[in-house]
Amino acid sequence: GENVEQHPSTLSVQEGDSAVIKCTYSDSASNYFPWYKQELGKRPQLIIDIRSNVGEKKDQRIAVTLNKTAKHFSLHITETQPEDSAVYFCAAVGAGSYQLTFGKGTKLSVIP
Amino acid sequence: GAGVSQSPRYKVAKRGQDVALRCDPISGHVSLFWYQQALGQGPEFLTYFQNEAQLDKSGLPSDRFFAERPEGSVSTLKIQRTQQEDSAVYLCASSLRTSGNGGELFFGEGSRLTVL
Repeated sequence: GENVEQHPSTLSVQEGDSAVIKCTYSDSASNYFPWYKQELGKRPQLIIDIRSNVGEKKDQRIAVTLNKTAKHFSLHITETQPEDSAVYFCAAVGAGSYQLTFGKGTKLSVIP
Repeated sequence: GAGVSQSPRYKVAKRGQDVALRCDPISGHVSLFWYQQALGQGPEFLTYFQNEAQLDKSGLPSDRFFAERPEGSVSTLKIQRTQQEDSAVYLCASSLRTSGNGGELFFGEGSRLTVL
């Protein structure tokens, strides 16, 4: 089955700096890679996703890049704000599958 | 309601008790998933329903876990003879589409189970 590794497990940045979270996956057939944000005690919410036919996707301060050859994808947050503080999860799922496999999460702290 | 609703939000059970966790998905959503999230970990897949059909239960950790969605809407996750290792947040998610890569999963707030 799919295995998703996520790094780092914790990340502290100063407000206004950029944050980068990296994930690797094992199943070369995986073709959909969402990122979820989970605030303390809240539900995970989708913030951005990318499909395997695209190398990069951007939405305002958030961007995701995908390297299919290396089987890794990354989340980039620019101009971080205190409200970006949360746990971020990457995930992967294969074609025709429905099992999202999640990474273990990255706790991002943005220091004002 | 507008989102996925789960109840109870918190459940404390004595070891050996049975528990039932309820999920009300978004109306019209075909797919329903249950995930288990241990403290400090990512959600782990338990089971998947497409309408009333349970197409995948490979993630259920033991035969003490049982899930149903008899009318293709509300789902119940039942855990029999609870053990301490069952303590976790149980997340329900629904999706309009029939595959995991079909788009956004909408999660509920979760049911936090603590087994003493």
